[in-house]
Amino acid sequence: EAAVTQSPRNKVAVTGGKVTLSCNQTNNHNNMYWYRQDTGHGLRLIHYSYGAGSTEKGDIPDGYKASRPSQENFSLILELATPSQTSVYFCASGLGGQNTLYFGAGTRLSVL
Amino acid sequence: GQQVQQSPASLVLQEGENAELQCNFSSTATQLQWFYQSPGGSLVSLLSNPSGTKHTGRLTSTTVTKERRSSLHISSSQTTDSGTYLCASGAGGYKVVFGSGTRLLVSP
Repeated sequence: EAAVTQSPRNKVAVTGGKVTLSCNQTNNHNNMYWYRQDTGHGLRLIHYSYGAGSTEKGDIPDGYKASRPSQENFSLILELATPSQTSVYFCASGLGGQNTLYFGAGTRLSVL
Repeated sequence: GQQVQQSPASLVLQEGENAELQCNFSSTATQLQWFYQSPGGSLVSLLSNPSGTKHTGRLTSTTVTKERRSSLHISSSQTTDSGTYLCASGAGGYKVVFGSGTRLLVSP
């Protein structure tokens, strides 16, 4: 079974602070994704990556940066956190094509 | 870019009834997946079905690619089926986009 681990699971941040959400996968998947989930919007794609060193913008990248330093790790960075970024964030990995995505357990972020 | 619409937004059933969930996507999909999100928030893949009909257990998915639609049929619903069902589509490349989901409640 594919394993995707997110940390932290819960985070409270202050407005204007820097937040880093981490994701690790142990299945050698090429593709990794960051989504946020808000009531009424479903899952929205923030950034994705198709391999180490690559990051691509998704549908809502403003205010977020991503980093893929290795095949296993994909981070989401909020340089200047705002209350509008309060949400649940999910990381996923997959092989692409018709292969399924595997999700982490999610990170609940509150920006006060 | 790719957009995914799901209907209905919510559905309430009595245990034993069947459910039919719909997914429409805006571009020809090379990737189409259905996911289940538990009330606790965890996400698991149900099946991948970019075209044709696929069965797994009490689930049947039918995707008509040229009409840009997919359906998920749940037969003989159980209370444990309650949760949110998400459709995800990819139109080539690496980007995968999700719909807003159908929230299903099955009462005993």
